[in-house]
Amino acid sequence: NAGVTQTPKFRVLKTGQSMTLLCAQDMNHEYMYWYRQDPGMGLRLIHYSVGEGTTAKGEVPDGYNVSRLKKQNFLLGLESAAPSQTSVYFCASSPPADEQYFGPGTRLTVT
Amino acid sequence: GDSVTQMEGPVTLSEEAFLTINCTYTATGYPSLFWYVQYPGEGLQLLLKATKADDKGSNKGFEATYRKETTSFHLEKGSVQVSDSAVYFCALGNSGGSNYKLTFGKGTLLTVNP
Repeated sequence: NAGVTQTPKFRVLKTGQSMTLLCAQDMNHEYMYWYRQDPGMGLRLIHYSVGEGTTAKGEVPDGYNVSRLKKQNFLLGLESAAPSQTSVYFCASSPPADEQYFGPGTRLTVT
Repeated sequence: GDSVTQMEGPVTLSEEAFLTINCTYTATGYPSLFWYVQYPGEGLQLLLKATKADDKGSNKGFEATYRKETTSFHLEKGSVQVSDSAVYFCALGNSGGSNYKLTFGKGTLLTVNP
């Protein structure tokens, strides 16, 4: 039982490049989330999903897109990376209305 | 909207000292409250939770009581260890008329010296 896994662990992009972060969970959770963590800002919700095929915007969705084609996977895309998107990205999953389980994070640097 | 305010760090303590990290919240309805811990280089892990007023969550010697009258959920530990050095996040879980989400405080860095 791996819990929540994230791929890749580290990535460096140049401004304007695109990439996709992959989150996978093996707990059969309905809900999945993407957060970014920046110094002094805590965790901010980017997008979330309450079930396969559904997505919704969080607090800071601009510049990101997501897809939930399979229940166990939640993808976060950056179409044209900007230095302001340098951050640590965390994925989480949960049953409805309950505690969230977090992945180990992806450290992204945009130069 | 919902919000969580927790004491700013960093907090530096000696081993075996008493720890309190304050957390207050603003929310509609009946939220659940959580404390998460993040060790260096890792993701967040649930430390403890409480789902209704007057509930006490506890784990690994840490405790927090859900106080609706003071809208607080302060984290305490009687005797900290070096291994407790981490960032601690208070969080609130609520539906607020839409989908259930967590709202996090900004985190408090705790350093425990031997």
